[in-house]
Amino acid sequence: DTEVTQTPKHLVMGMTNKKSLKCEQHMGHRAMYWYKQKAKKPPELMFVYSYEKLSINESVPSRFSPECPNSSLLNLHLHALQPEDSALYLCASSQSTGVVTGELFFGEGSRLTVL
Amino acid sequence: GENVEQHPSTLSVQEGDSAVIKCTYSDSASNYFPWYKQELGKGPQLIIDIRSNVGEKKDQRIAVTLNKTAKHFSLHITETQPEDSAVYFCAASRPPWGATNKLIFGTGTLLAVQP
Repeated sequence: DTEVTQTPKHLVMGMTNKKSLKCEQHMGHRAMYWYKQKAKKPPELMFVYSYEKLSINESVPSRFSPECPNSSLLNLHLHALQPEDSALYLCASSQSTGVVTGELFFGEGSRLTVL
Repeated sequence: GENVEQHPSTLSVQEGDSAVIKCTYSDSASNYFPWYKQELGKGPQLIIDIRSNVGEKKDQRIAVTLNKTAKHFSLHITETQPEDSAVYFCAASRPPWGATNKLIFGTGTLLAVQP
């Protein structure tokens, strides 16, 4: 199973709402990622969890709050978002060991629209 | 930090022709170079990757070449088919730490294969 599963596929929210994006993988990967992708642009790294601990935060605004409840799950909590936060949010996972870089597997993404 | 440039931004070929996409990177410590294909409304899918101890890798109609001295790598698709139409991203990363692989993406190439 080389799947990263993301829910929901589509989400529309108002600027005062609180919502969450969810991601799950069962490949035994110990690194999980959140990326943001705007139209016609490459994915932009937001957060990385390594062994369930936050290891990278790319200066993301606090209205985005990541959570890694266990080694298979990754959440992104959304609160008080702005219309410019509308984008495709991608989850990914990988497993690197020692000096050997592991492949990054992406989910299909959650399309977020902020009204 | 690492910077990855990708050319061309758009590429149109006739079915059956070859397509070549080129990337250059700046960080001489980078040692892993994956290529992703992203179809409309989907997440990026890894199609091939190459590590710095290898100069060329082939998988059916897809090949990647790496020139470490010049710091550039290329994707070659032969006998293109309409289903090859998508956005292609190159990426580069340094050796991992822990389980983490921090990819730096190129800007993407929109490939259109005309039937």
